[in-house]
Amino acid sequence: DTEVTQTPKHLVMGMTNKKSLKCEQHMGHRAMYWYKQKAKKPPELMFVYSYEKLSINESVPSRFSPECPNSSLLNLHLHALQPEDSALYLCASSVLLAGINEQFFGPGTRLTVL
Amino acid sequence: AQSVTQLDSQVPVFEEAPVELRCNYSSSVSVYLFWYVQYPNQGLQLLLKYLSGSTLVKGINGFEAEFNKSQTSFHLRKPSVHISDTAEYFCAVSGSGGYQKVTFGTGTKLQVIP
Repeated sequence: DTEVTQTPKHLVMGMTNKKSLKCEQHMGHRAMYWYKQKAKKPPELMFVYSYEKLSINESVPSRFSPECPNSSLLNLHLHALQPEDSALYLCASSVLLAGINEQFFGPGTRLTVL
Repeated sequence: AQSVTQLDSQVPVFEEAPVELRCNYSSSVSVYLFWYVQYPNQGLQLLLKYLSGSTLVKGINGFEAEFNKSQTSFHLRKPSVHISDTAEYFCAVSGSGGYQKVTFGTGTKLQVIP
């Protein structure tokens, strides 16, 4: 299994809803990432988990809450989002090969906040 | 800190013509360089990467890139493009050692014209 899977593919939520995005990989990678990508923009790093511990938080608002229950799973819990949070949310995982951090991306979840 | 600059936001090219997508990087330390491709409504796929050694790197789908340290460039090339190459292309840079942050350029939209 050489892929990163993300569910759901699409999500529409209101500003008072609570929802979660899920990411899974079975490649034995020990780092996992959440990115946010707006239309016609590059991915912006949100969080990095390394060995199931949060190692980087790029000053993301608390309405986004990441969770890494085990080495294969990464969740992003969403609460009280704003319309400007609508974007493609990408998950990635990586393995260190000869000291290089090569990332593998999932297909993303398209989030729309009404 | 490292950064990448993609000089062209859009590159139109006729089918079967050659193409070059430009990328310049900035870093005070050794870096690793990547090119990713993103097809519409999909995640990112790694095209190729430069770690060290030969400055000419071959990737998937007939793409190649040349690392030029003196010009701090890592341009992507393909001798003959196909309609299926229409996509967004991102140049990215990462530091060495551990799970370093990957920084993406702003992207170049390659539009192949039949």
